[in-house]
Amino acid sequence: AQSVSQHNHHVILSEAASLELGCNYSYGGTVNLFWYVQYPGQHLQLLLKYFSGDPLVKGIKGFEAEFIKSKFSFNLRKPSVQWSDTAEYFCAVTYSGYSTLTFGKGTMLLVSP
Amino acid sequence: EAGVAQSPRYKIIEKRQSVAFWCNPISGHATLYWYQQILGQGPKLLIQFQNNGVVDDSQLPKDRFSAERLKGVDSTLKIQPAKLEDSAVYLCASSSAGLSTDTQYFGPGTRLTVL
Repeated sequence: AQSVSQHNHHVILSEAASLELGCNYSYGGTVNLFWYVQYPGQHLQLLLKYFSGDPLVKGIKGFEAEFIKSKFSFNLRKPSVQWSDTAEYFCAVTYSGYSTLTFGKGTMLLVSP
Repeated sequence: EAGVAQSPRYKIIEKRQSVAFWCNPISGHATLYWYQQILGQGPKLLIQFQNNGVVDDSQLPKDRFSAERLKGVDSTLKIQPAKLEDSAVYLCASSSAGLSTDTQYFGPGTRLTVL
């Protein structure tokens, strides 16, 4: 079965540190890639997504992600995190022709002021 | 634009009892999803509707779970009888057309505790 792996379950950073969260998927065919975020007490919401074109995708709040097909990866980055970025981050994928999201287990990010 | 609404937000029941969850998607969204999120894991699809028809229910434990979307708008998910392992957050999501590139919009979820 297809799967999504997120490398770190918990990440702790200080404000202004750079962030990179790893995500790998297992399927070799056409995929669409998503990063969702869940801030404390809030709904899951979309940060960014990739389905074609420029493999470097920019999302909300200064986040970006790069699709590297040869590595089956879609890592999330932010050059300088803020305390308000404290949240759980989920990488997810859909496969061509299917709209069901397959999620990774999530990474809890804690940013200390 | 109003988001996806779910109720109740929290529910505590004893095993072997029944429970129902309700979801109202974003107006005009044809596709509705129910996901189960167990603590420490990502959401996992239970069932997908396109309008009032089922697209995918392959992961739905049909001996105890049922879902319907009778008029192609709101939906209910029922568990009868509940087991301890059903303790989870049940998320409803909707998207405009059910395409693989569509953004899914999630509701706040219902946190179910089975004692």
